[in-house]
Amino acid sequence: DVKVTQSSRYLVKRTGEKVFLECVQDMDHENMFWYRQDPGLGLRLIYFSYDVKMKEKGDIPEGYSVSREKKERFSLILESASTNQTSMYLCASKLRDVPLWEQYFGPGTRLTVT
Amino acid sequence: AQSVAQPEDQVNVAEGNPLTVKCTYSVSGNPYLFWYVQYPNRGLQFLLKYITGDNLVKGSYGFEAEFNKSQTSFHLKKPSALVSDSALYFCAVSANNDYKLSFGAGTTVTVRA
Repeated sequence: DVKVTQSSRYLVKRTGEKVFLECVQDMDHENMFWYRQDPGLGLRLIYFSYDVKMKEKGDIPEGYSVSREKKERFSLILESASTNQTSMYLCASKLRDVPLWEQYFGPGTRLTVT
Repeated sequence: AQSVAQPEDQVNVAEGNPLTVKCTYSVSGNPYLFWYVQYPNRGLQFLLKYITGDNLVKGSYGFEAEFNKSQTSFHLKKPSALVSDSALYFCAVSANNDYKLSFGAGTTVTVRA
């Protein structure tokens, strides 16, 4: 079974803090994705990574950065957290050569910025 | 540009009744259409897809969806809903299966016993 894990289910941070959200997958997937999920907006792609040390901006990259130093781990970084980044963050991964819809999603991290 | 609209925030049905969750899409080129479900405290799970071929596609847990090109719709259906179908449902589209999935806002389904 593919497993995508996210380091925290719930996280509370203060405005201005640097926040790291970690995602780890155990199936040697090349592609990894970060989405945020907001009521009434669905899922929006923040960043994705084709492979180690590779990254591409998604639809809403502003205020975020990512790191992919190892194949199994894809980190989302909020350089200076703001209240409008309060959201549910979902990580996903898939093999390079499989269709896009075959992404496996993690359980999500609900981040609250106060 | 590609986008998905789910016109209903919530759908409420009684157990045993038919369930329909609506989705319309806009995309340049051939649409690849998908439905996902999110149960409480769980990640998104893939339900079904339309790539090509038969307009009626069948998926997991007894769900099916009908692709209608003229109406640009891809409605999710289940003939007899279960209380366990209560969840958040997302429709998604991709143009020619490129790197990007565009999701709708989601529809919360509540099935009452």
